[in-house]
Amino acid sequence: EAQVTQNPRYLITVTGKKLTVTCSQNMNHEYMSWYRQDPGLGLRQIYYSMNVEVTDKGDVPEGYKVSRKEKRNFPLILESPSPNQTSLYFCASSSFPGRVYEQYFGPGTRLTVT
Amino acid sequence: SQQGEEDPQALSIQEGENATMNCSYKTSINNLQWYRQNSGRGLVHLILIRSNEREKHSGRLRVTLDTSKKSSSLLITASRAADTASYFCATDANDYKLSFGAGTTVTVRA
Repeated sequence: EAQVTQNPRYLITVTGKKLTVTCSQNMNHEYMSWYRQDPGLGLRQIYYSMNVEVTDKGDVPEGYKVSRKEKRNFPLILESPSPNQTSLYFCASSSFPGRVYEQYFGPGTRLTVT
Repeated sequence: SQQGEEDPQALSIQEGENATMNCSYKTSINNLQWYRQNSGRGLVHLILIRSNEREKHSGRLRVTLDTSKKSSSLLITASRAADTASYFCATDANDYKLSFGAGTTVTVRA
């Protein structure tokens, strides 16, 4: 089954404690992306990757890191989480023939930073 | 920055009625996409319309695109309770990013 998986699905942590949210896709997609969703703000892109070892900032990259060492994985790293990073996070992937087409979304990770 | 803005923010309709929502954007685009999200779950792609297309259909969905007005509309015909969800437009503005609006929340009453 074609899917994007994220782990963990729920996470409560404390300020400053480094964490990683994993994302994996099994569709051999070139393009992967991380979004955060906050009430009234819709989805905002954090980082995206057009292929292995190619990453770039989205609209809200501050406080986040990513890496793309393998095509299927695109982990999101919060080196020193703060309460304003409490949010619902989505990973997504798509094929990328030079344009961003249909995105397949993971189920989401609800992060709470206290 | 957010490219698309949906209107209205919320919509409540009776089952069987049509639902129409609009999306406006700011810069030229390569394509515009519509997604559905059921309460807190991942988004699901509904339909994509390219900048050189004016109208597209998929089942009960009809999407229009007016590039001169930088706007798009999504029409859901003969709505069902299962259509209750939030709907988002997203634009690919030739910058390798997909920009989402804040969404329209649709409630279909039985």
